[in-house]
Amino acid sequence: DTEVTQTPKHLVMGMTNKKSLKCEQHMGHRAMYWYKQKAKKPPELMFVYSYEKLSINESVPSRFSPECPNSSLLNLHLHALQPEDSALYLCASSQPYQNREAFFGQGTRLTVV
Amino acid sequence: AQSVTQLGSHVSVSEGALVLLRCNYSSSVPPYLFWYVQYPNQGLQLLLKYTSAATLVKGINGFEAEFKKSETSFHLTKPSAHMSDAAEYFCAVSKGRSGGSNYKLTFGKGTLLTVNP
Repeated sequence: DTEVTQTPKHLVMGMTNKKSLKCEQHMGHRAMYWYKQKAKKPPELMFVYSYEKLSINESVPSRFSPECPNSSLLNLHLHALQPEDSALYLCASSQPYQNREAFFGQGTRLTVV
Repeated sequence: AQSVTQLGSHVSVSEGALVLLRCNYSSSVPPYLFWYVQYPNQGLQLLLKYTSAATLVKGINGFEAEFKKSETSFHLTKPSAHMSDAAEYFCAVSKGRSGGSNYKLTFGKGTLLTVNP
């Protein structure tokens, strides 16, 4: 099983809503990532979890709150988002070594209204 | 600092023609390099990776890339383009702290490949 599963695939939320994005992998990977991708741009790293601990936060606003409940799951909690936060949110996982490739989910298309 | 530069934001080829997508890296140490493909409204799929085992790397879907240290390049090629190859292609480098376990992929700006019938 080389899949990273993200839910939901699409999400529309108001600026006062609270929602969560979910990501799951069963490849035994110990590093998990959240990326944000705007249209016609490359993915930009938001957070890295390594061995279930937050290891990299790329100065992401606090309205985005990551959580790694266990080695297979990664959540991204959303609160008080802005319309400019609308984007494709990608989850990825890998073994935590520099020469290992990351496997990506299909993404959640988020629209903030 | 390690980074990658993709030359050409858009490449257009005819079906059956050679595909050449350019990627140059800047690094003071041997890098770990990857090519990913992204189809519309999809996630990223790994095409191939360079991890210093061999300079010519073969990937999926008939793609290959050659690592050239003298040119600091890792260009992606395919001898004959197919309509299904139309997608966005990203070159990426793995960056991190030596001896640590915190690595991240940093992507080039991407090259959109269109294939004309």
